[in-house]
Amino acid sequence: DSGVTQTPKHLITATGQRVTLRCSPRSGDLSVYWYQQSLDQGLQFLIQYYNGEERAKGNILERFSAQQFPDLHSELNLSSLELGDSALYFCASSVWGSDTGELFFGEGSRLTVL
Amino acid sequence: GENVEQHPSTLSVQEGDSAVIKCTYSDSASNYFPWYKQELGKGPQLIIDIRSNVGEKKDQRIAVTLNKTAKHFSLHITETQPEDSAVYFCAAQSDMNYGGSQGNLIFGKGTKLSVKP
Repeated sequence: DSGVTQTPKHLITATGQRVTLRCSPRSGDLSVYWYQQSLDQGLQFLIQYYNGEERAKGNILERFSAQQFPDLHSELNLSSLELGDSALYFCASSVWGSDTGELFFGEGSRLTVL
Repeated sequence: GENVEQHPSTLSVQEGDSAVIKCTYSDSASNYFPWYKQELGKGPQLIIDIRSNVGEKKDQRIAVTLNKTAKHFSLHITETQPEDSAVYFCAAQSDMNYGGSQGNLIFGKGTKLSVKP
């Protein structure tokens, strides 16, 4: 158990809909990262937050947004969903904001868009 | 930005044999190279990492080597066991500041390792 909690574990929805994925980082970790994992693209970095502020952006679509709340949990919002958004979405946390170091991953939220 | 290539995409070995997974990276500023193991239904977990001031690092049956000149690094697993079966990801990161954004951990596409009893 990494200590990172993600909900929901599975989600099935239709194209055009909006969903919210939730992540609670390890106790004491200030940084939260979101990754998308699909079969052909591996782990794609989406976005990073540190202590409530956006720290880095990767390949995140404009239809997607995220935020980190004062209690350090984070939410990833996916809107106007398309079939290609079906993937496993991972949240990870770490102690440091930008220094290199170990990421602790949750077990992921599997999104299926029909 | 950084690009990490990983080979092979699948690897099948007999129990007891060695397994080698290779990665190349593009950004010469990258200075941290971790390896993550992902078991079925779980999130990736760090198994070993190496920084650019070190050429090799070992931890029991696993080792990682780094060639900064050639920009490649490898994971070596000796005496493989069935529980080593998983997907392995290499990654590269720079802690340099790119126009306000810190370097991110960029992953390879993964290698599915199968160890046959």
